[in-house]
Amino acid sequence: EDQVTQSPEALRLQEGESSSLNCSYTVSGLRGLFWYRQDPGKGPEFLFTLYSAGEEKEKERLKATLTKKESFLHITAPKPEDSATYLCAVQAFRGGGADGLTFGKGTHLIIQP
Amino acid sequence: ETGVTQTPRHLVMGMTNKKSLKCEQHLGHNAMYWYKQSAKKPLELMFVYSLEERVENNSVPSRFSPECPNSSHLFLHLHTLQPEDSALYLCASSQAHLNTEAFFGQGTRLTVV
Repeated sequence: EDQVTQSPEALRLQEGESSSLNCSYTVSGLRGLFWYRQDPGKGPEFLFTLYSAGEEKEKERLKATLTKKESFLHITAPKPEDSATYLCAVQAFRGGGADGLTFGKGTHLIIQP
Repeated sequence: ETGVTQTPRHLVMGMTNKKSLKCEQHLGHNAMYWYKQSAKKPLELMFVYSLEERVENNSVPSRFSPECPNSSHLFLHLHTLQPEDSALYLCASSQAHLNTEAFFGQGTRLTVV
């Protein structure tokens, strides 16, 4: 059974204080690891897809990295508008092509001005 | 605008009511999904449709009945729900058989009274 564990559950940072969110996973054949951002009362917004260990992707103040067991979402010099819940999800190879995602519970990030 | 539209955004229904949730995607995708998001729990995959055929049903109670009349539309028919079914119901779409991310709608906030 695929499993995704995110830590910490909640994180409060001062504006400009860099940090990292962790996503540990177990999956029988990783097709892709996904990061999403979710604001209250809204659907998840896609951020990154990572496919293989060693891969890195960046977007503005966010950088996602991947190893064989975990992924990190690094946030550099965050701003209050980065406050959100960040979700990690994995998709396994099952041959069907249209496989759903297994999500973690998310990290609730608050950036204080 | 994410390209995936869900209606209604909010729904309150009694346990004896019958209602339907609607999802429409304008992204040209061929796979659609229903997820349930409850407080303090990760997103749970409910149903997967690929090329309008249901390919996955994660042991969802029969009081939830999906329908996918074409690749752009997805419905979730609800009847005799329980208060514990109150949650945010999210629709997503993706391009099956490619390593592409899923895009989510804004969700329907369902309250069962």
